[in-house]
Amino acid sequence: GNSVTQMEGPVTLSEEAFLTINCTYTATGYPSLFWYVQYPGEGLQLLLKATKADDKGSNKGFEATYRKETTSFHLEKGSVQVSDSAVYFCALSDRSNNDMRFGAGTRLTVKP
Amino acid sequence: GAGVSQSPSNKVTEKGKDVELRCDPISGHTALYWYRQSLGQGLEFLIYFQGNSAPDKSGLPSDRFSAERTGGSVSTLTIQRTQQEDSAVYLCASSLVSSPYEQYFGPGTRLTVT
Repeated sequence: GNSVTQMEGPVTLSEEAFLTINCTYTATGYPSLFWYVQYPGEGLQLLLKATKADDKGSNKGFEATYRKETTSFHLEKGSVQVSDSAVYFCALSDRSNNDMRFGAGTRLTVKP
Repeated sequence: GAGVSQSPSNKVTEKGKDVELRCDPISGHTALYWYRQSLGQGLEFLIYFQGNSAPDKSGLPSDRFSAERTGGSVSTLTIQRTQQEDSAVYLCASSLVSSPYEQYFGPGTRLTVT
């Protein structure tokens, strides 16, 4: 079945450091891939998405490229800020399923 | 416009009691999803509603769990005879038919079974 595996946390970085959170997936079809973010005390919200191979999703300085050859969708940001502290979830949705499969989440803490 | 709302925000109940959790999706969204987020875990799919179609209940963990959606809008998730392992945050999400893969989440209901 479909599944998502993402880098275990927690991740602690200093402000302006480079961020990578790894995500790999297993899918039988052609899924769409997503990163969701959950800020402290808030609900999940969509951060970015990519719907086909080689697409790059981007938002708020974050980027992720859909790599079919490595079945990956790693999240990157060149310079993190304290306000980026949150839990990040990688997810996939396959047209053959109704549900969205989420990774376990990676908690990021950015220190000033 | 208003986002997805859920109530109550917190619920503490005794083992063996029944609980009802409510979700109000975004107006115009015909797809509605329930997930469970246990401490330190990812999101676990529970059930999916799409319009007037029969719901996809494949994620419900046991027959103590049920959900309904009245009038294609508000949904209620019911857990009967609650157990301590049911303690989790229950999340509701909705999406447009035309964009079923972009889901908008509510703030969740934190359920604690004592």
